[in-house]
Amino acid sequence: AQSVTQLGSHVSVSEGALVLLRCNYSSSVPPYLFWYVQYPNQGLQLLLKYTSAATLVKGINGFEAEFKKSETSFHLTKPSAHMSDAAEYFCAVTRGNQAGTALIFGKGTTLSVSS
Amino acid sequence: EPEVTQTPSHQVTQMGQEVILRCVPISNHLYFYWYRQILGQKVEFLVSFYNNEISEKSEIFDDQFSVERPDGSNFTLKIRSTKLEDSAMYFCASSEALAGGETQYFGPGTRLLVL
Repeated sequence: AQSVTQLGSHVSVSEGALVLLRCNYSSSVPPYLFWYVQYPNQGLQLLLKYTSAATLVKGINGFEAEFKKSETSFHLTKPSAHMSDAAEYFCAVTRGNQAGTALIFGKGTTLSVSS
Repeated sequence: EPEVTQTPSHQVTQMGQEVILRCVPISNHLYFYWYRQILGQKVEFLVSFYNNEISEKSEIFDDQFSVERPDGSNFTLKIRSTKLEDSAMYFCASSEALAGGETQYFGPGTRLLVL
């Protein structure tokens, strides 16, 4: 069964520091992978997604993620954190590879950014 | 930019009462979804809906839940007899129906509190 593990429920960085949020997945089919961000009292917003094209995926707000099949990972990075990046981040994998399939989410990582 | 909308933003109900949560998906999308997030836990898939029928559902989506597209714009989730454990944030999402890996666009959520 498909699953997602996000290592670290809480990550704290200083403004300007590297952001690294870890995501490992398990999937019985070639996966589609997503990172969503949730700001307080808001819905989930797509940051980026992997759909079997380039393994390095660039998203909004300077974030990127690299799909590594050998490591079953899809870690999210940003070279320089900004205060506005403070939010909760969710990694997700599709349950199947057909249209309309469910997203299976990880438990989320809360990112704190200090000045 | 088109977005998914949900009403109400908050709902408080008594245990055993019926509630209907409403969503307006993005207009040209054909797949609709409901997810829930119990406080402090991961986002969980409930159901997907396509062409006026359920496409996929989780084990959470039991007989007390139902979904409906009552007209050309609304998509609803009904909980027949609410339980305390139904207290959660409920998210609606929609996507196009082109292929696997399409982005699911989430609404801002309805926070349901069952007393």
